[in-house]
Amino acid sequence: GQNIDQPTEMTATEGAIVQINCTYQTSGFNGLFWYQQHAGEAPTFLSYNVLDGLEEKGRFSSFLSRSKGYSYLLLKELQMKDSASYLCAAMDSNYQLIWGAGTKLIIKP
Amino acid sequence: GAVVSQHPSWVICKSGTSVKIECRSLDFQATTMFWYRQFPKQSLMLMATSNEGSKATYEQGVEKDKFLINHASLTLSTLTVTSAHPEDSSFYICSARTSWQDQETQYFGPGTRLLVL
Repeated sequence: GQNIDQPTEMTATEGAIVQINCTYQTSGFNGLFWYQQHAGEAPTFLSYNVLDGLEEKGRFSSFLSRSKGYSYLLLKELQMKDSASYLCAAMDSNYQLIWGAGTKLIIKP
Repeated sequence: GAVVSQHPSWVICKSGTSVKIECRSLDFQATTMFWYRQFPKQSLMLMATSNEGSKATYEQGVEKDKFLINHASLTLSTLTVTSAHPEDSSFYICSARTSWQDQETQYFGPGTRLLVL
């Protein structure tokens, strides 16, 4: 079956670094996405990885290991506005997104 | 990034009425659009995949006669909730698939909050 696992909730301190892990099992693989969703709003696109390695975009970086079925989202210099849910989604062979349940990130001052 | 709009952003209706939600890709053509619903504190649940010019593909457990999807053009898909009931109250989100910088990705509309009384 197809499955995405990510932690339910994480807490971090403003200014610190946090890493949100995601493991996936899909029928075929066409990339791994990370989305940010603030409460009451639709998700917004953060990153896309299809090749192994680290992609850096400002304070956010995303890593992928296809052989391990593993990805992580790294957030640096945390700000209070980064408090949100972070959704991991893998695209299968039919180009459908398989969603994780999301990781609620709580930032404390 | 690409822009997807949804209308209305929120709607309150009486039980038994029908509600239509529009999803538009504003600056690109989308052959495929997706409809999701999300209950509070839960993840997105895919309802159906909408392909321009053909019938939508519904996920298991989603009633196609209750949630009517029409993808009339490359920039517009509509979801009609027919004979709405209080249990249909939810956050409905559409997304449109496109290729950006040779990457297939999905861009989401802002969502429509439906409350059925």
